[in-house]
Amino acid sequence: DTGVSQDPRHKITKRGQNVTFRCDPISEHNRLYWYRQTLGQGPEFLTYFQNEAQLEKSRLLSDRFSAERPKGSFSTLEIQRTEQGDSAMYLCASSGSGTSVATDTQYFGPGTRLTVL
Amino acid sequence: GESVGLHLPTLSVQEGDNSIINCAYSNSASDYFIWYKQESGKGPQFIIDIRSNMDKRQGQRVTVLLNKTVKHLSLQIAATQPGDSAVYFCAETKGQGKLIFGQGTELSVKP
Repeated sequence: DTGVSQDPRHKITKRGQNVTFRCDPISEHNRLYWYRQTLGQGPEFLTYFQNEAQLEKSRLLSDRFSAERPKGSFSTLEIQRTEQGDSAMYLCASSGSGTSVATDTQYFGPGTRLTVL
Repeated sequence: GESVGLHLPTLSVQEGDNSIINCAYSNSASDYFIWYKQESGKGPQFIIDIRSNMDKRQGQRVTVLLNKTVKHLSLQIAATQPGDSAVYFCAETKGQGKLIFGQGTELSVKP
């Protein structure tokens, strides 16, 4: 499979627990993005990496959220002390870096559906 | 803040007809626009994109039109099929960073 993969696909947790999601980008892509999507809305940007460097973080990414990409390959998104408002689909996307349209295109994974009870 | 928006939340078409989904954007500095298709429970799937130096781009059964004068983007789907039923999002970006998505248009294809 050459697409973006995410694990787990579904996560149910109780309020106050910590959760961690993993994203494996397309192998040759050096940019990796995290988005959050709530029901009926478009995805909202959270953060992105170029290789292992985290280049931008949204104001949506509170101090309970942390993302890493230690070796410039897969990435993890951790949410500490989850709240019911964190319930959403967490989407990962990857792209190459370059000036052509083909390398800028972000390809999305299937997402991780988080439900906080 | 600036955002990409869509004119209609739902669109219903007959199988075989052409579909047109519209999008208005407000950031005149955006230079790259993308249409995604999202089926229930799945991540957004890339359909077609266009750069700001182009007015039109065609793919297989899909065409994207960009009107920078009125900041309008449209997606045309020819001979719409039941498999085209999904939510369609337009997204914009400046440079190579984050995408800004609209709220989506749900396309329903009647057999």
